[in-house]
Amino acid sequence: EIVLTQSPGTLSLSPGERATLSCRASQSVSNNYLAWYQQKPGQAPRLLIYGASSRATGIPDRFSGSGSGTDFTLTISRLEPEDFAVYYCQQYGSSPLFGPGTKVDI
Amino acid sequence: QVQLQESGPGLVKPSETLSLTCAVSGYSINSGFYWGWIRQFPGKGLEWIGSFYRSGDTYYNPSLKSRVTISVDTSKNQFSLNLSSVTAADTAVYYCARGSTPGIAGSYWGQGTLVTVSS
Repeated sequence: EIVLTQSPGTLSLSPGERATLSCRASQSVSNNYLAWYQQKPGQAPRLLIYGASSRATGIPDRFSGSGSGTDFTLTISRLEPEDFAVYYCQQYGSSPLFGPGTKVDI
Repeated sequence: QVQLQESGPGLVKPSETLSLTCAVSGYSINSGFYWGWIRQFPGKGLEWIGSFYRSGDTYYNPSLKSRVTISVDTSKNQFSLNLSSVTAADTAVYYCARGSTPGIAGSYWGQGTLVTVSS
């Protein structure tokens, strides 16, 4: 069974800075079926990235995903005030599973 | 635009069955995509519960498979979740969602509904 680990647990940054979030899988993610979501309090998760690197519809280009196999990264090039939230990765192939999340706060 | 809306009891007694419905508007379930359920525990962890495709194929989380049933009512364009023999560990916010694969990875989610299991 795949296990997803996200690091760091919390990332403290300022608006305008670059954020780099990591998601590591214990086994290779098939077909690069790796997604990233953003969640704000009281809201449903919002899909940002699918297929490891494809931006979902309407997602600003400051969000980018990269990686393959077992190591994946979500990069926010310049943090906007609305980007402070919790970010989850998910492998959505066989036995879909979410990571524990990374909180990006000020 | 596509909208999903969960409904159902907010409180369920231990050992009983949790039943939720997801009403879909703006898109016909029969037209495609995968439709399913994901839950989020109070500690914020997310868990995929299961999904289905218009063909009738269903997909369940192996850890819940013995207790979960997802059914569809195409005449009402809605689908349902039944989770039997619930315990306090099933307390969570339950989301319905649409995705491109059985594991979901989709942009359309309901707002979520909190279900508490307690006597």
